[in-house]
Amino acid sequence: SQQGEEDPQALSIQEGENATMNCSYKTSINNLQWYRQNSGRGLVHLILIRSNEREKHSGRLRVTLDTSKKSSSLLITASRAADTASYFCATAAAGGYQKVTFGTGTKLQVIP
Amino acid sequence: DTGVSQNPRHKITKRGQNVTFRCDPISEHNRLYWYRQTLGQGPEFLTYFQNEAQLEKSRLLSDRFSAERPKGSFSTLEIQRTEQGDSAMYLCASSFPRGGQENEQFFGPGTRLTVL
Repeated sequence: SQQGEEDPQALSIQEGENATMNCSYKTSINNLQWYRQNSGRGLVHLILIRSNEREKHSGRLRVTLDTSKKSSSLLITASRAADTASYFCATAAAGGYQKVTFGTGTKLQVIP
Repeated sequence: DTGVSQNPRHKITKRGQNVTFRCDPISEHNRLYWYRQTLGQGPEFLTYFQNEAQLEKSRLLSDRFSAERPKGSFSTLEIQRTEQGDSAMYLCASSFPRGGQENEQFFGPGTRLTVL
């Protein structure tokens, strides 16, 4: 079963605009990760935020985490056509071996 | 290339046949995962190894599925008596947890299975 639900399911923006994707999850986590999957390519890890962190940056990416609301957001600034891909959040559950569970994904299209 | 590799990349088989996929993780990674991904969905967890021990199996993994990691290095996933519903992309990933916490997983390119 999928732990996370991304919102929106699909997003289309013009190159240069910012893109925001949201992820909600159900159980307590140790960390939350965002991955990108291009058409025909494998999944690539983008950024990881731990449960005791609230915000993290990496290049044009900004991730926030609100554990009280069990939600996270991924912001891509100044989008490029090459950012066109599906984006998935993945949560590592608290306790145990911290199984990683993926969400359903947001399909982003950046129009040149 | 020191990334995760999977073979074959594509497999077409007839219903009822057995298939086996191989995954070679990044060499220093002690955790290895198998996922299944269907069109429009995120990867669904199938099973997980820490070294050679299979520590968790999803309920998705019916008794027709078996996975091994005999020497704690490469892993194989076998599907017996394939069904059309088994058609999917099978992904392998590996990781090396630091500080006792799960960290980023490195994914292979996947094996796309088509069951006719």
